[in-house]
This record gives sequence, C-alpha cells and structure tokens, in this order.
Amino acid sequence: DVKVTQSSRYLVKRTGEKVFLECVQDMDHENMFWYRQDPGLGLRLIYFSYDVKMKEKGDIPEGYSVSREKKERFSLILESASTNQTSMYLCASTDSYEQYFGPGTRLTVT
Amino acid sequence: KQEVTQIPAALSVPEGENLVLNCSFTDSAIYNLQWFRQDPGKGLTSLLLIQSSQREQTSGRLNASLDKSSGRSTLYIAASQPGDSATYLCAGVDNYGQNFVFGPGTRLSVLP
Repeated sequence: DVKVTQSSRYLVKRTGEKVFLECVQDMDHENMFWYRQDPGLGLRLIYFSYDVKMKEKGDIPEGYSVSREKKERFSLILESASTNQTSMYLCASTDSYEQYFGPGTRLTVT
Repeated sequence: KQEVTQIPAALSVPEGENLVLNCSFTDSAIYNLQWFRQDPGKGLTSLLLIQSSQREQTSGRLNASLDKSSGRSTLYIAASQPGDSATYLCAGVDNYGQNFVFGPGTRLSVLP
C-alpha cells in the first residue's frame, strides 16, 4: 500500500514564525502536491513538484514556498505565518493515475 | 479552465437506501476520474479510479461510472450504512497526471 505521511497532525504557531510542514511518500512517485482546504472553498493547490528540485506554483502560492531535495520528501514552508494561513494542509503524491493523500495537518496561527 | 460541480451538496438518507452522487465537468477532456471519501478532520481516502479507457469501476457496494462525452460521473452506493457518512469528492486529472481538479464534495449522512 502507498503510504503518505505528514510530520504533524496538529500544529499551533504564532504570527510571524517560520513554519515547516513535511510530507513523505514511500512509493517512488514523481509528482507531489500541497493543498489547503478551507470550509466553503474546497481544496486549493498551493504548489506541486514533478521531480526533485522541480516545482510549479499552484493557484494560491503567495506566502508559501516549497522544497524537494529528495524524491520522497516534499516540504511546505510558510515564510512568515499569518492568521489567514490557519487551515487544513493536505499533501498528496501520484503515480500519474491515482492520487494518494496524507492524513493532513491542522495548522492554527495565533 | 476546468471546473467541477457536485450535486447534491448535502444528502441525508435512512440506512439501507441506495443513493447516487453526481459529478460534472465543464471540460469533458479529462483523462482519469477519481472518487474520494473524507471523514471530518482527516485526509482523503481514494475509493475508485476510472482510467481513460474505462467507463466504470466497482468496489464492494460502490460503483462509479464515467461518461466523458457528457462530462459526468456518478457514484452509486448500495444499501447505505451509517459508516458511509462522510464527504465524497470527485477529481479529474489531465493526461500528464499533474493537473487534478476537485469538486466541492457532497456531504452524506446515513441515519440509523
């Protein structure tokens, strides 16, 4: 079974902090994604990566950056956390056919 | 730009009923179609994947179909159970496997 893990289920950070969200997949997938999910807005793509060190902006990249130094690991970075980044963050990877999700990280910025 | 709608937005049924959830795309040029289940506060769990050469997939009490010509997919749940209560999302992907477009979901409640 494909397994996608995220470093934290719940995270509370203060405004202005730099926040790292880690995602690891164990199936050698090329493509990895970061989404955020908010009530009434659905899933929105922040960034995706199609190879090591390769990345593409999604629909809402502002305030975020990503890092993919190894194929199995895709990190989302909030450079300076703000309260409007309080959300559920979901990581996914794909073999180009089927998308597999991690359990999500509920981030609260106070 | 591809947009996905799901009807109904919410559905409440008594246990044992058969039900259908609908998913529509504005652009019928999708490659694969995937249905997910999401429990509150959790990630998405893949239920069924319909690949480009297929028209339907079945898993247990679930059956999903895809009609590319009309840009529609349906998820059929037979003999619903309270444990089926969750939000169901559909997603289409292009042939590069990089552009996934999600619907807003249907929130299902199955009452005992």
